[in-house]
Amino acid sequence: ETGVTQTPRHLVMGMTNKKSLKCEQHLGHNAMYWYKQSAKKPLELMFVYNFKEQTENNSVPSRFSPECPNSSHLFLHLHTLQPEDSALYLCASSQDVGTGGSEQYFGPGTRLTVT
Amino acid sequence: GQNIDQPTEMTATEGAIVQINCTYQTSGFNGLFWYQQHAGEAPTFLSYNVLDGLEEKGRFSSFLSRSKGYSYLLLKELQMKDSASYLCAVRDSNYQLIWGAGTKLIIKP
Repeated sequence: ETGVTQTPRHLVMGMTNKKSLKCEQHLGHNAMYWYKQSAKKPLELMFVYNFKEQTENNSVPSRFSPECPNSSHLFLHLHTLQPEDSALYLCASSQDVGTGGSEQYFGPGTRLTVT
Repeated sequence: GQNIDQPTEMTATEGAIVQINCTYQTSGFNGLFWYQQHAGEAPTFLSYNVLDGLEEKGRFSSFLSRSKGYSYLLLKELQMKDSASYLCAVRDSNYQLIWGAGTKLIIKP
């Protein structure tokens, strides 16, 4: 247990569906992240929130929409996804964005399959 | 562009020593991280280097040479539970983590 939880763990959705991924951290951290992990590829940073404010959006398609209502919760809203969006979506948190060895703690991920 | 290179897969024997290399080219440098990821699980933090030299933590050690853009993770007294992917990541000048694709380590009895 890393102190970061994600739900659901598995999700199958059609291209016309709307769904949301949820992440919660119990570590008192100020920064939260969404990553996409595809087989044999590096982790792709999607969004960064620091003190609830979005600080990075790495050219992510608008069909992915993040929401951070407070520093403990992070959502990723999904709509009209494509089959190539099938991947493991990881949430992470850290004490802050860049101080010292501020390592990131990861949740178990949501395995998303788009049909 | 920014790039992190590490071998795709390595095999080692239980009880032996293995060294996993990582080379990087990034826009600035604010530290290098190693993570371990077992199949189907979340990555977990192993080590952090920001200055040149060797950091030792039990059976695991990590080395950094900033002038060469090079790091390695050294695993000693290998155990079967060390079978996992090992991810190298560099924090760039914008404090973003740039990740390698990971090295899958297979331990054989």
